[in-house]
Amino acid sequence: DQQVKQNSPSLSVQEGRISILNCDYTNSMFDYFLWYKKYPAEGPTFLISISSIKDKNEDGRFTVFLNKSAKHLSLHIVPSQPGDSAVYFCAANRVTGNQFYFGTGTSLTVIP
Amino acid sequence: ETGVTQTPRHLVMGMTNKKSLKCEQHLGHNAMYWYKQSAKKPLELMFVYNFKEQTENNSVPSRFSPECPNSSHLFLHLHTLQPEDSALYLCASGPGPANYGYTFGSGTRLTVV
Repeated sequence: DQQVKQNSPSLSVQEGRISILNCDYTNSMFDYFLWYKKYPAEGPTFLISISSIKDKNEDGRFTVFLNKSAKHLSLHIVPSQPGDSAVYFCAANRVTGNQFYFGTGTSLTVIP
Repeated sequence: ETGVTQTPRHLVMGMTNKKSLKCEQHLGHNAMYWYKQSAKKPLELMFVYNFKEQTENNSVPSRFSPECPNSSHLFLHLHTLQPEDSALYLCASGPGPANYGYTFGSGTRLTVV
């Protein structure tokens, strides 16, 4: 049973506009969330994280929002750039847990 | 350089072959992981090692056999694989056991023919 879900397999956005990637989770015990970015033929690289004690975390063009009551988080990229084209994975964990649970990924294409 | 190095990058093997995947981390982490990435599926955790001890085996078939000789090296030994085992195999390391995220290697693209 998938505990982390990314329901949009793909997303296309014009350069300069906002990209919004969504993620839902089912386990209310999760208290730490990550976004990873993956280019073809490379491993995922860490992008941004958020703890359950916060509802927003910002790092440059990237902002992650967490809605605990809805068990939903989203990644906003503003402004989107062609180099942002990649697959984005959402992951969740209990900090004391043994593993992260990943979604299936959303493939973002930023059109120049 | 990600700090986690996987070799080989690509591997094609027959169903009767025996091969090994290698992972090395240079980050001083205490936990190492094998993940499998198949098309349109979430990353699937296969094995977890904390301080060289296996702490998780997610019902992985015995044709996959991990080995962790020290906290910097992790191997995945493969034998009598099936075509459906073709996937990207990712190694990761983390500070463990308190887990604030992994550093992944670039993966080994495995094709079983």
